[in-house]
Amino acid sequence: DAEITQSPRHKITETGRQVTLACHQTWNHNNMFWYRQDLGHGLRLIHYSYGVHDTNKGEVSDGYSVSRSNTEDLPLTLESAASSQTSVYFCASSDYRAEQFFGPGTRLTVL
Amino acid sequence: DQQVKQNSPSLSVQEGRISILNCDYTNSMFDYFLWYKKYPAEGPTFLISISSIKDKNEDGRFTVFLNKSAKHLSLHIVPSQPGDSAVYFCAASYSGTYKYIFGTGTRLKVLA
Repeated sequence: DAEITQSPRHKITETGRQVTLACHQTWNHNNMFWYRQDLGHGLRLIHYSYGVHDTNKGEVSDGYSVSRSNTEDLPLTLESAASSQTSVYFCASSDYRAEQFFGPGTRLTVL
Repeated sequence: DQQVKQNSPSLSVQEGRISILNCDYTNSMFDYFLWYKKYPAEGPTFLISISSIKDKNEDGRFTVFLNKSAKHLSLHIVPSQPGDSAVYFCAASYSGTYKYIFGTGTRLKVLA
């Protein structure tokens, strides 16, 4: 069965460290998205990609970067982790404007 | 500026009764809407969608209503079951993009 996975599921890091969160989908979807979920803010879009080598900034992209070298993966990098980036991160993928399929999430704590 | 708003952070409903979750949007360009359900420690899962060419879409116990003039949509769950207890997000998109703007979510608790 096709799926979307995220790793790690939990991560604790220190302020200033670089962190990379992995997202892998086997749906063969062109579109991939990264969100963060925070209390009172719902799901906010960080970055998204409509295909290989395509990346776009979302509404809360400062301090984050992505790269898309193949269809299956969209890793999210925090260049220099800050306490404000403590959150739950979700990756999603979709075909055209159809519903997005979400991964199980990564809980990141920045100390 | 929150383009998609869910003004009720939480809602409690008795089992068997109707649950009504509301969502308002400000951008008149939005023409496709989704509802998601999210359990703790899991990713959101898709529930139901509606296009702006319709004003109602049904799928089993779930019905979504769209009022374009009021820029308002609602999700009705009938009858509500304890397993429906979750956080519900609405999301909106406009033509020419594949991304969605999500609301802040409503936590539904169905009481047995």
